[in-house]
Amino acid sequence: NAGVMQNPRHLVRRRGQEARLRCSPMKGHSHVYWYRQLPEEGLKFMVYLQKENIIDESGMPKERFSAEFPKEGPSILRIQQVVRGDSAAYFCASASGGSGNTIYFGEGSWLTVV
Amino acid sequence: EDQVTQSPEALRLQEGESSSLNCSYTVSGLRGLFWYRQDPGKGPEFLFTLYSAGEEKEKERLKATLTKKESFLHITAPKPEDSATYLCAVQAGATNKLIFGTGTLLAVQP
Repeated sequence: NAGVMQNPRHLVRRRGQEARLRCSPMKGHSHVYWYRQLPEEGLKFMVYLQKENIIDESGMPKERFSAEFPKEGPSILRIQQVVRGDSAAYFCASASGGSGNTIYFGEGSWLTVV
Repeated sequence: EDQVTQSPEALRLQEGESSSLNCSYTVSGLRGLFWYRQDPGKGPEFLFTLYSAGEEKEKERLKATLTKKESFLHITAPKPEDSATYLCAVQAGATNKLIFGTGTLLAVQP
């Protein structure tokens, strides 16, 4: 866990503002996943990225949400015009490769929309 | 559609009372079955990956097994520090994403 770094850990936004969540994968990892966990619900897949490419965004809402993983720097999950329903824990995970490789999670970013 | 179901939703044990958690799955093309532990306010902590039916892995008081339809996480002589939510996930199909169950909340009382 300690290897995947997420910030901020806690973020409060007013409705209509933007939220940016950052994720630095473990050293040597080039695959990044974002998951969302709502209270009393399981982890839901949002997006899977490799450096500079979005591989699978089938879990991303069609509007207001976007993700990137640039050649340099952390992966960013961006939520525009936040609404109360966006309040959740957002987890980033990383892996060194694809199928079968261990996927390690960060400690999460808790977004509260007021 | 790929699906993962965990049972029971919650389990309360006395210290030293062994038990098992179940994870049943229906997926096309299983690539791996993962077990994680999650403490409140924390991210999931990796425990095991199982790749094929018949495989078993152990770590301290935990042992994970896999069949073609389900996986079990056996907890032997649990301690209060084993209290957590245990998550099962499968990696399947054309993508590498993990599909999670809703977890089993384990409470071990001293």
